[in-house]
Amino acid sequence: DTAVSQTPKYLVTQMGNDKSIKCEQNLGHDTMYWYKQDSKKFLKIMFSYNNKELIINETVPNRFSPKSPDKAHLNLHINSLELGDSAVYFCASSQKVVLLDTQYFGPGTRLTVL
Amino acid sequence: GQQVMQIPQYQHVQEGEDFTTYCNSSTTLSNIQWYKQRPGGHPVFLIQLVKSGEVKKQKRLTFQFGEAKKNSSLHITATQTTDVGTYFCAAVQGSNYKLTFGKGTLLTVNP
Repeated sequence: DTAVSQTPKYLVTQMGNDKSIKCEQNLGHDTMYWYKQDSKKFLKIMFSYNNKELIINETVPNRFSPKSPDKAHLNLHINSLELGDSAVYFCASSQKVVLLDTQYFGPGTRLTVL
Repeated sequence: GQQVMQIPQYQHVQEGEDFTTYCNSSTTLSNIQWYKQRPGGHPVFLIQLVKSGEVKKQKRLTFQFGEAKKNSSLHITATQTTDVGTYFCAAVQGSNYKLTFGKGTLLTVNP
């Protein structure tokens, strides 16, 4: 039983396309996140939702739009994909949104933009 | 913005040697976490340190939080091939919800 799951695991697409990545957690957590990990392994937070409400929105291009239909799901839609969007995208969840709570990461989605 | 500096970027050791990675911040940290990411895998939580001067152990792993809460270290005694991966520290400053990750230390172990 996967705690945090993401689909798809791999995504290869052309520049200019629009794509979505889905994330679901069955841990009953209130808070979910999207992280981007570039080719140098640098992990950077993109968004965070707490109970479907956006609480962190880093300086991410507005081509990226997160959506949280309920607190167990956080999807990421990317418009007009660019080469620089190629990376591994990790979804994560934590029980609370307090200062520092353990993050449970999904397996990642490796996005390749050609 | 907030930065957590982590060194070294890479470390290659022979199996049985010790390994240490360090994280430093110019400002006081509320607390710090450590994660391990195996090659091709996802980050997995190892531990959280909260108190000044705190030391925690997990088998061959020893985690320390500095007295000033500005630095932390992870030490592995007698490395094994199963220790291979990237070790990240992650921290929050003040009342920020945001977890900032260090750039990670990639550990490779020669059997």
